[in-house]
Amino acid sequence: DADVTQTPRNRITKTGKRIMLECSQTKGHDRMYWYRQDPGLGLQLIYYSFDVKDINKGEISDGYSVSRQAQAKFSLSLESAIPNQTALYFCATSDSRWRDDTGELFFGEGSRLTVL
Amino acid sequence: GQQVMQIPQYQHVQEGEDFTTYCNSSTTLSNIQWYKQRPGGHPVFLIQLVKSGEVKKQKRLTFQFGEAKKNSSLHITATQTTDVGTYFCAGTRAGGTSYGKLTFGQGTILTVHP
Repeated sequence: DADVTQTPRNRITKTGKRIMLECSQTKGHDRMYWYRQDPGLGLQLIYYSFDVKDINKGEISDGYSVSRQAQAKFSLSLESAIPNQTALYFCATSDSRWRDDTGELFFGEGSRLTVL
Repeated sequence: GQQVMQIPQYQHVQEGEDFTTYCNSSTTLSNIQWYKQRPGGHPVFLIQLVKSGEVKKQKRLTFQFGEAKKNSSLHITATQTTDVGTYFCAGTRAGGTSYGKLTFGQGTILTVHP
């Protein structure tokens, strides 16, 4: 089984619908991240969390929200999906004792979202 | 905000040729990481460089971190078809309130023709 699991792996939805992408990990890491990947743009950070009570906005948080339900779970929500949120979404985890060093990121398999 | 630029965006090589991708940051970095993403896959960590001027090798891959800690490169010697994929650099800004935010470059897509 994968250490970082994302569900769903693929989702097609319509404009205005609420969507939740879920991420769970068995690595025991405190830090979790949500990235968005678009062709030619690399990976852009949406939200990141150092622990259950510490959640921070990334580069492109507008239109997204997150919930850290437990150390092992980090969910990304699109309250009202729009077509330009069509992308590949990755969850990642890391473990570092230093606040300014992420350490190695371990990525999930990705969730491909299409908003019509 | 911090920007990490990576060039080239695409590179086509014949198997056996060398390949280099370059990464430049608008700000000084505390460290830089490199990832590889195979087609249809997820990014996988390759290495992290921390020291100014650091050079590390992994078999046919050579990674360098610039003296000013604002640029980095990945060089692959004698490419193989298994090297196909997208290579990303990702940096953490030194100081400030970045608090471990890893900013990715746009990636270089490598195609290797047999």
